[in-house]
Amino acid sequence: DGGITQSPKYLFRKEGQNVTLSCEQNLNHDAMYWYRQDPGQGLRLIYYSQIVNDFQKGDIAEGYSVSREKKESFPLTVTSAQKNPTAFYLCASSRRGAGQETQYFGPGTRLLVL
Amino acid sequence: GDSVTQMEGPVTLSEEAFLTINCTYTATGYPSLFWYVQYPGEGLQLLLKATKADDKGSNKGFEATYRKETTSFHLEKGSVQVSDSAVYFCALTNLPNGNQFYFGTGTSLTVIP
Repeated sequence: DGGITQSPKYLFRKEGQNVTLSCEQNLNHDAMYWYRQDPGQGLRLIYYSQIVNDFQKGDIAEGYSVSREKKESFPLTVTSAQKNPTAFYLCASSRRGAGQETQYFGPGTRLLVL
Repeated sequence: GDSVTQMEGPVTLSEEAFLTINCTYTATGYPSLFWYVQYPGEGLQLLLKATKADDKGSNKGFEATYRKETTSFHLEKGSVQVSDSAVYFCALTNLPNGNQFYFGTGTSLTVIP
């Protein structure tokens, strides 16, 4: 079955620690995205990538970093510079098309600070 | 820039009631419009979409019509069920913005038996 997987489902971060959230897709999509969702709020774009080895900052990139070395994978690192990392993180992917492409989402990773 | 505005929640309905969740958008040109649904603790699932004016998206009894004249894409369902309880997000994507999506803030729906 094609889809997007995110791991882990829950992740705990200690003060000063960097943590990496995994996102893998086997949909052969060019574009991938990371969003942050806080309780009762909508989605805010952190980073996106339209092609391998290229990515752009979204609205709230500070304190986060990404890489896109493979088409299938778009890991997100939450660095110690992100002072309020507790949130639900969603990865998505889409074809790189003419502005009509649907985004497909993974099941999410909930990050909690110890 | 492009944006989506959807009605504030939460919305609470009795089973078999009629549902409307309002969504309006601001965008240049001809965006594509989407409704996504999110169940507790899960990612977003595509519910329906419409890619041009006057298109009607439909799925699982939900419908929404792309109205360019009113820049709206309201979600409707004639008879809601308890299993429809979730958060609903309106979204758009637009060619001038590449593949970026713009989401509304979400509307929480609770259906009571």
